[in-house]
Amino acid sequence: GQNIDQPTEMTATEGAIVQINCTYQTSGFNGLFWYQQHAGEAPTFLSYNVLDGLEEKGRFSSVLSRSKGYSYLLLKELQMKDSASYLCAVTDSNYQLIWGAGTKLIIKP
Amino acid sequence: ETGVTQTPRHLVMGMTNKKSLKCEQHLGHNAMYWYKQSAKKPLELMFVYSLEERVENNSVPSRFSPECPNSSHLFLHLHTLQPEDSALYLCASSQHRGTGVDEQFFGPGTRLTVL
Repeated sequence: GQNIDQPTEMTATEGAIVQINCTYQTSGFNGLFWYQQHAGEAPTFLSYNVLDGLEEKGRFSSVLSRSKGYSYLLLKELQMKDSASYLCAVTDSNYQLIWGAGTKLIIKP
Repeated sequence: ETGVTQTPRHLVMGMTNKKSLKCEQHLGHNAMYWYKQSAKKPLELMFVYSLEERVENNSVPSRFSPECPNSSHLFLHLHTLQPEDSALYLCASSQHRGTGVDEQFFGPGTRLTVL
C-alpha cells in the first residue's frame, strides 16, 4: 500500500527553528508538496520538490531525498502565526496525490 | 483568500435531511475537487471534475452526489447521511486535471455535523 508518515504533533518555541519530517512509500514518485493549514482555514501551498535538494522560500525551506523516501520542512525564526498543521503529499506514478495526516505545530512564547 | 469560496461554512443536519454544499472558484481553473478531511486522518479525495466532466469517483457512497454545472461551480448534494460522515469537506481547484501535477487552491471548507 501507499503510505505517508508525519509526526502527529510538535511543539516549538517562538524564535527557534523546527524541522517537520515526512517519509513516504509510494508506487512511483513525481513530486512532493507541503501545505500549511491554519485551524478552520483552507490548506495553502508552501512548496514543491521533485528533485533532490533544497527549495527555499523566506523563512521556510523544504528538502527532498528521493533515495531515502524522505522530505523535511524547516521553519526558521518561528512566529506565533506559524502555529498550524503542515500537510505532506506525494504524487505517485499515476499522478495521484497521496496525503499524509498532517503535523500539528504548536508555537509557545 | 485563495480564490475558492465555499458555502455554508457550517452545517448541522439530521440523517434524513437533504442539503447541498456549494463551491465556486474565481481562478479560471479547469479542474475541481471534493475532499473529506477527518481529524488526524489524511485528506480523502472524493471526486474530481475536469472541464465539467467527472473523471474520478473514489468509491464514495451514493449518498454523496456531485454536480458541476460549469467550470467555476461545484456542488455536493447530501442525503440520508450517517454520523460517520461528519467531517470538514474541502473544495479545491487547479489549472489542469491531475491531482498531483499542479498546486491546488483550497476553499475554507464546510464543517458538517450529522446528528
